[in-house]
Amino acid sequence: NAGVTQTPKFRILKIGQSMTLQCTQDMNHNYMYWYRQDPGMGLKLIYYSVGAGITDKGEVPNGYNVSRSTTEDFPLRLELAAPSQTSVYFCASSYEGPGGRNEQFFGPGTRLTVL
Amino acid sequence: GDSVTQMEGPVTLSEEAFLTINCTYTATGYPSLFWYVQYPGEGLQLLLKATKADDKGSNKGFEATYRKETTSFHLEKGSVQVSDSAVYFCALSDGGSGSRLTFGEGTQLTVNP
Repeated sequence: NAGVTQTPKFRILKIGQSMTLQCTQDMNHNYMYWYRQDPGMGLKLIYYSVGAGITDKGEVPNGYNVSRSTTEDFPLRLELAAPSQTSVYFCASSYEGPGGRNEQFFGPGTRLTVL
Repeated sequence: GDSVTQMEGPVTLSEEAFLTINCTYTATGYPSLFWYVQYPGEGLQLLLKATKADDKGSNKGFEATYRKETTSFHLEKGSVQVSDSAVYFCALSDGGSGSRLTFGEGTQLTVNP
């Protein structure tokens, strides 16, 4: 299993540009999450999904959109990039339900810079 | 709302030294508590967890005990190695589910040979 994969690894955007961060998991997990990690800070939850077709806002959703059309994929969309969105973005997934181990599995991250 | 506070870093130790990283939390109900580790250039990995009061989580020589009376979950290791150099995050999940983790700020640990 590849686990949680994210693309791209690095990206530089100009202010006002848009982009989609891709996230895929092959563990058949029902829950998926997007976090951002700012320097010297913990992770903040942007959006999460409890299953295909169901998404909800986290702590810092402004400026982002998500969709979950399949169990495997959970892309994060930035519509009008701003310097405040410069951060490292992590996708994660977990299985919640009978037999679940309460563990989130993280991807390697995408480092985004907005200039 | 829920919150997690970790001791300020960075922490620098010599190999074989004793490690303690303090973590305290504020939450309603009975949260599950976690320690995650992030090695350079990688995503976070679960190090250990505890789901109820007085539980002790342990893994790779690291331990942490869920103390409800002091709302703490301090991470300890008796003898650190250079390979333990990483950032350590304390986190909680309210209600015992793995969803919606609240993270502390992270503590950078550097172990010198």
